[in-house]
Amino acid sequence: DVKVTQSSRYLVKRTGEKVFLECVQDMDHENMFWYRQDPGLGLRLIYFSYDVKMKEKGDIPEGYSVSREKKERFSLILESASTNQTSMYLCASSPTGWPGGTEAFFGQGTRLTVV
Amino acid sequence: KQEVTQIPAALSVPEGENLVLNCSFTDSAIYNLQWFRQDPGKGLTSLLLIQSSQREQTSGRLNASLDKSSGRSTLYIAASQPGDSATYLCAAPFSGGYNKLIFGAGTRLAVHP
Repeated sequence: DVKVTQSSRYLVKRTGEKVFLECVQDMDHENMFWYRQDPGLGLRLIYFSYDVKMKEKGDIPEGYSVSREKKERFSLILESASTNQTSMYLCASSPTGWPGGTEAFFGQGTRLTVV
Repeated sequence: KQEVTQIPAALSVPEGENLVLNCSFTDSAIYNLQWFRQDPGKGLTSLLLIQSSQREQTSGRLNASLDKSSGRSTLYIAASQPGDSATYLCAAPFSGGYNKLIFGAGTRLAVHP
């Protein structure tokens, strides 16, 4: 079974802190994604990566950065946490398919609260 | 731009009923559509992936269909059980590729004994 593991289920951080959310997948997938999920807004893509050291902005990248130094690991960084970044963060991975259309797998989510 | 809509937003049914959850998408040139389940406070669990070359996909009591021409997919749940209570989300790939998914808002299902 594909496993996508997020380093924390729950995090509480203070405003202004630099926050790292880690995600690891064990299926050698090329694509990895970070989404955030908020009530009434659904899932929104923050960043994604289609290869090591490659990244592209999603719909809401402001206030975030990412790092992918190894294929299995994709980190989301909140440079200076703010209360409006309190949310559920979801990591996903998928293999590259052609012409497109492969199955995406999600981690268990990280509930981040910024106080 | 791909947009995904799910109706109904919420559904409450007695145990044993057969259910249909609906998902519509605007860009019919999709390669696949995926259905997920999400329990409260948890991540997403992949239920079914339907490739564009398929019309249906089945897993246990779940059956998903895909009609690209009409821009619709349905998730059929047979003989619903209280354990089926969750939010069900459908997602279609963004037209730009890389498997970026566009999600519907979900259908929150409650099955009561």
